[in-house]
Amino acid sequence: NAGVTQTPKFQVLKTGQSMTLQCAQDMNHEYMSWYRQDPGMGLRLIHYSVGAGITDQGEVPNGYNVSRSTTEDFPLRLLSAAPSQTSVYFCATRGGGGYNSPLHFGNGTRLTVT
Amino acid sequence: GESVGLHLPTLSVQEGDNSIINCAYSNSASDYFIWYKQESGKGPQFIIDIRSNMDKRQGQRVTVLLNKTVKHLSLQIAATQPGDSAVYFCAERGQAGTALIFGKGTTLSVSS
Repeated sequence: NAGVTQTPKFQVLKTGQSMTLQCAQDMNHEYMSWYRQDPGMGLRLIHYSVGAGITDQGEVPNGYNVSRSTTEDFPLRLLSAAPSQTSVYFCATRGGGGYNSPLHFGNGTRLTVT
Repeated sequence: GESVGLHLPTLSVQEGDNSIINCAYSNSASDYFIWYKQESGKGPQFIIDIRSNMDKRQGQRVTVLLNKTVKHLSLQIAATQPGDSAVYFCAERGQAGTALIFGKGTTLSVSS
């Protein structure tokens, strides 16, 4: 199993450009989520999904869109990138153990917006 | 509000020593806690978790202790190795159905 796969690993955007960060998982996990990680701050939840067709906002959703058309994929879209969105983005899934079970993270996408 | 913090941003130990990484949390209703290890350029990796109905849980070379009276969580690593060098995060879940709240991390450096 590959686990959680994120692409690309690195990306540089200009302000105002759009892009999609990809997240794919092969563990058949219903729960998927996106976090951002900034220096000096803990991981912050952007959006999450409890299953195909269902998405919800996390702590810092502004500027990001998500959709969940399949169990395997959970893309994160930046419609108009801003320098404040420079960060490392992590996709995470959670298995069938319920809320009190660990998240499984991908290796991240490092995004720079100039 | 909820917050999770770590007492020290960095910890340096010698190879073979035991390491203790501490975490304080503020929400007395939190019922689930978890420790992650993050190596440079990688995503957080699950180490060990503990539910609020337990005080201690052991894994391979790691032990998590939960003191609900003072809202304190610690991760003990036995016989620390250079491969243990990483950033360690604690996280809590305030109540069922809510998202994990992550602390800022402690950087563990192991010298041989």
